Amino acid sequence: AQSVAQPEDQVNVAEGNPLTVKCTYSVSGNPYLFWYVQYPNRGLQFLLKYITGDNLVKGSYGFEAEFNKSQTSFHLKKPSALVSDSALYFCAVRDRGFQKLVFGTGTRLLVSP
Amino acid sequence: SAVISQKPSRDICQRGTSLTIQCQVDSQVTMMFWYRQQPGQSLTLIATANQGSEATYESGFVIDKFPISRPNLTFSTLTVSNMSPEDSSIYLCSVALDGDYGYTFGSGTRLTVV
Repeated sequence: AQSVAQPEDQVNVAEGNPLTVKCTYSVSGNPYLFWYVQYPNRGLQFLLKYITGDNLVKGSYGFEAEFNKSQTSFHLKKPSALVSDSALYFCAVRDRGFQKLVFGTGTRLLVSP
Repeated sequence: SAVISQKPSRDICQRGTSLTIQCQVDSQVTMMFWYRQQPGQSLTLIATANQGSEATYESGFVIDKFPISRPNLTFSTLTVSNMSPEDSSIYLCSVALDGDYGYTFGSGTRLTVV
C-alpha cells in the first residue's frame, strides 16, 4: 500500500531564508507525487506535481520540489520564504495503478518576519 | 483544472441528526472522492464515488454512516448520518479530471456536532 511520511510537524524559517519541507514516500511502482497547501479555514490548494520527466518540478508561488527516486523523497523548497507562506503543507502520493491519493500528516510552516 | 462548488461551507448540528454535503463540478468527471480531515489531522479518504455504481468505501467507513450519491458526472452528495461529536471534522470533495493527473479539491465543509 502506498504511504507518505512528513517527518516534521513544524518548520520554522525567517523571512528571506530558503525553506525545505520534507516528504518521503512508499509505493509499489512509479509514483505520482503532489504538494498541497492549506491556509486557515480554506480548502486545499494545489502547488505542484511530479508525473514524469525532469526531477525538478516548479510550481505555484515560487515553490519547487525535487523528485529523488533513490531516496524516495519529494522535498518541497523555496529559495526565499515569505511570511505569507505560513500555512499547512501536505505531501501526497498516488500509485499509477490506482486513483486514490494518500496524504502525509502535514507540516506546519511558520515564517517569521 | 476543474472548479468545485461545495455546500454548505460550515454547519453546527445536533447529535443524532444527519447532514448532506453537496459537491458540484463544472466539468464531467469519472471519479469523485470524499475526504475527512479531523481537527489537527491529515486527510483521510472516506470513499470513491463513480457515476452509475455504488461508492467504494475505505476501511473504517461504512455506507450506513456515510451514504453517497452520484447521480451524474458533475454532482455528488455525502451524508453524515446519526452524527456524534466525533464526526466534527472538515469534509472535502475532490475530483480527478480525465486525462489529467492533478486533483482539485472543494473548499470543504466544516462540521461541528454538539
